[in-house]
Amino acid sequence: GAVVSQHPSRVICKSGTSVKIECRSLDFQATTMFWYRQFPKQSLMLMATSNEGSKATYEQGVEKDKFLINHASLTLSTLTVTSAHPEDSSFYICSAPRTSPPPETQYFGPGTRLLVL
Amino acid sequence: DQQVKQNSPSLSVQEGRISILNCDYTNSMFDYFLWYKKYPAEGPTFLISISSIKDKNEDGRFTVFLNKSAKHLSLHIVPSQPGDSAVYFCAASVGRTSYDKVIFGPGTSLSVIP
Repeated sequence: GAVVSQHPSRVICKSGTSVKIECRSLDFQATTMFWYRQFPKQSLMLMATSNEGSKATYEQGVEKDKFLINHASLTLSTLTVTSAHPEDSSFYICSAPRTSPPPETQYFGPGTRLLVL
Repeated sequence: DQQVKQNSPSLSVQEGRISILNCDYTNSMFDYFLWYKKYPAEGPTFLISISSIKDKNEDGRFTVFLNKSAKHLSLHIVPSQPGDSAVYFCAASVGRTSYDKVIFGPGTSLSVIP
């Protein structure tokens, strides 16, 4: 089946540093990828849609200068949390849609746990 | 404004019995509904979906029912197994392709007791 990977799986950083999270589709190409974040015991909230070869589309309330997204290739999207602060601590998950073979659905990565001290 | 609601944060069911997870939505424009299963520290995995033009979809032990007039859907798991213990997210999208944005509910934690 489809596999989407994320790296790193967890990261601890100091406040003020930047952290890059990679999302890769391993056996299919993805011109679009989605980035979500999940706070403890809450739902997944869509942050942005990453588009290969063009700018990402951000959801309302998500700072694009804070969360930089680069869709470098058909299998890789990166999310960089710039100047991270403790309130950015969260579980970040990416997904990639796949249309074939069925079922057509989004396949999610395993997530990245970010802790900002 | 939460467009997809799961009012039961948790549910406990005896092994072998039926698990019923409920979901309500407010946006009448949704035309595709999905259920995802999630284990701790992992990403969600797709379970089953239903189009708004149908009222039932079945896949093995999993059946999803949709009541459009009530804006309500439910996931039935029969028989429940301990391995089903996880958080279940109800989700919805406007559009029926995997490229459409998916709105998630808050999730219901299911515990299946052996």
